[in-house]
Amino acid sequence: GAGVSQSPRYKVAKRGQDVALRCDPISGHVSLFWYQQALGQGPEFLTYFQNEAQLDKSGLPSDRFFAERPEGSVSTLKIQRTQQEDSAVYLCASSLGGLAARDTQYFGPGTRLTVL
Amino acid sequence: AQTVTQSQPEMSVQEAETVTLSCTYDTSESNYYLFWYKQPPSRQMILVIRQEAYKQQNATENRFSVNFQKAAKSFSLKISDSQLGDTAMYFCAFISNAGGTSYGKLTFGQGTILTVHP
Repeated sequence: GAGVSQSPRYKVAKRGQDVALRCDPISGHVSLFWYQQALGQGPEFLTYFQNEAQLDKSGLPSDRFFAERPEGSVSTLKIQRTQQEDSAVYLCASSLGGLAARDTQYFGPGTRLTVL
Repeated sequence: AQTVTQSQPEMSVQEAETVTLSCTYDTSESNYYLFWYKQPPSRQMILVIRQEAYKQQNATENRFSVNFQKAAKSFSLKISDSQLGDTAMYFCAFISNAGGTSYGKLTFGQGTILTVHP
């Protein structure tokens, strides 16, 4: 594809609702990252996939957060029982290689989640 | 754990002038990469420039250049001939390459909002 896409772009949820955020990485990209960006702050790492394998989920804030990439392409970040502190922009990024720290990460436009 | 600090929350510059954004980082590793990312108001993060820690030569990309001081753990970004389109939030970021097997988890600074005035 032309770039990383994310949907929805905006999501408003009532506290306690479950949400699912989708990421379509660039076609052929092996690595996929999720980051959480609070208002006015830098993004913080949530989780990493190499193809369909979730190799690092150390940044997920709680067990309410779950991510998957079952076929090694599209990824979904799910947040159960949303809380107000979950309000943030969720960014997805992909890169071409696997174990390649220098690879450029291409970011999507993000999903802005607001929990009321 | 690595940390990245950007001490300038906001900066402004006149069009066509030069501005420098500061970044310091803390790590015990010797093999890593440093990046500057730009996030315009539309929020899509774009890579501006990359520096490999084992290279002493400062990276340059057109109007963008860095001053990499490894001993001081400093990594500043200089933007020459500033343009209105440079208005954005700029993030300094770090990736460990320990053992050459790191997959590239980025650690970001807090960001600097740069405004270019006509």
